[in-house]
Amino acid sequence: DVKVTQSSRYLVKRTGEKVFLECVQDMDHENMFWYRQDPGLGLRLIYFSYDVKMKEKGDIPEGYSVSREKKERFSLILESASTNQTSMYLCASSSRTGWGVETQYFGPGTRLLVL
Amino acid sequence: GEDVEQSLFLSVREGDSSVINCTYTDSSSTYLYWYKQEPGAGLQLLTYIFSNMDMKQDQRLTVLLNKKDKHLSLRIADTQTGDSAIYFCAESKGGATNKLIFGTGTLLAVQP
Repeated sequence: DVKVTQSSRYLVKRTGEKVFLECVQDMDHENMFWYRQDPGLGLRLIYFSYDVKMKEKGDIPEGYSVSREKKERFSLILESASTNQTSMYLCASSSRTGWGVETQYFGPGTRLLVL
Repeated sequence: GEDVEQSLFLSVREGDSSVINCTYTDSSSTYLYWYKQEPGAGLQLLTYIFSNMDMKQDQRLTVLLNKKDKHLSLRIADTQTGDSAIYFCAESKGGATNKLIFGTGTLLAVQP
């Protein structure tokens, strides 16, 4: 079974703090993704990575950065947390098939509250 | 452009059929997917359909694709309380970095 784990289920941080969200997958997947989920807006892609040290911006990268030093780990960084970054953050991974069905495997999510 | 829309909420009685609808705008999408998110959990792939198909059945689930109208639906037969969840449709065009574009999600509430 594919497993995607996220370091925290719930986090409470203060405005201006630097926040690290960690994601680890155990299936040797090339692709990893960070989304945020907000009611009525669905999932929006923040950043994704298709290989170690490679990253690409998604639809809403502002205020975020990422790091992929090892294949299994993809970190999302909020350099200076703001209240509008209060959200559910979901990590996902998938293999690079280049064709066929794209199955993304999701972690359980981290619910972040910024005060 | 890329935009996937769904209605936000659907309420059905246990035993009835549920139909969740989705419209998308990118006609070059290769695959279309349905994901399920149970309370407090991440998303899980339910089923998918290739863009050259118009129907796919998998036990209680039936996916219908109308490519001309860019309309996708998920029918759940004999809906159970355990089907209560948020359902997301998603589209992709394939390729090595196979990004998914997700819809807004439909919350399905099953009344006993």
